[in-house]
Amino acid sequence: AQKVTQAQTEISVVEKEDVTLDCVYETRDTTYYLFWYKQPPSGELVFLIRRNSFDEQNEISGRYSWNFQKSTSSFNFTITASQVVDSAVYFCALSEVRGKLIFGQGTTLQVKP
Amino acid sequence: GAVVSQHPSRVICKSGTSVKIECRSLDFQATTMFWYRQFPKKSLMLMATSNEGSKATYEQGVEKDKFLINHASLTLSTLTVTSAHPEDSSFYICSALLAGRTSTDTQYFGPGTRLTVL
Repeated sequence: AQKVTQAQTEISVVEKEDVTLDCVYETRDTTYYLFWYKQPPSGELVFLIRRNSFDEQNEISGRYSWNFQKSTSSFNFTITASQVVDSAVYFCALSEVRGKLIFGQGTTLQVKP
Repeated sequence: GAVVSQHPSRVICKSGTSVKIECRSLDFQATTMFWYRQFPKKSLMLMATSNEGSKATYEQGVEKDKFLINHASLTLSTLTVTSAHPEDSSFYICSALLAGRTSTDTQYFGPGTRLTVL
């Protein structure tokens, strides 16, 4: 069965620090997608990235970067030079069947000024 | 980008009443929509997959008669919480699947509906 584990429940950093959010997944499928979403206090989910299982290239988007390693079934997310606006709950998710998402428990990130 | 709306955004109701939540894809057609439930400080749990013109597929442990889902058109899915009780209080989020022109599909989330049952 598929499963997503975000071991870090809460992380607190000071502005401008780098922070990495961990995500480990389990799946029997060879074809799957991995996602990261941000959920600010308003509650609305903000899509950050989607990765398919055949693309292990790391990705960078501004201050955000993602490290996908199939060998360790991990899809970690790093925020460089964190800002207060980055404070939110971040979810890692896995999709096997078309569109059906399995979410991790979420990591609450607090960035203090 | 594609937009998904939910109505209402917040609802407070008395125990025993039924509440209907609408999920609309505003600028695209969605043959598939999903309903998730989120308890405070918890993760999102998939409740059911809603397919246009057919019965919804419910996840294990989700009561079909309690959470009625109707997907009558390509832009609208509704979730009705029947005979609501305080334990049904939660944040309900829908998403709509935009079938991709390539091999990938993109799922767009609504803003959520916060249900409080007194």
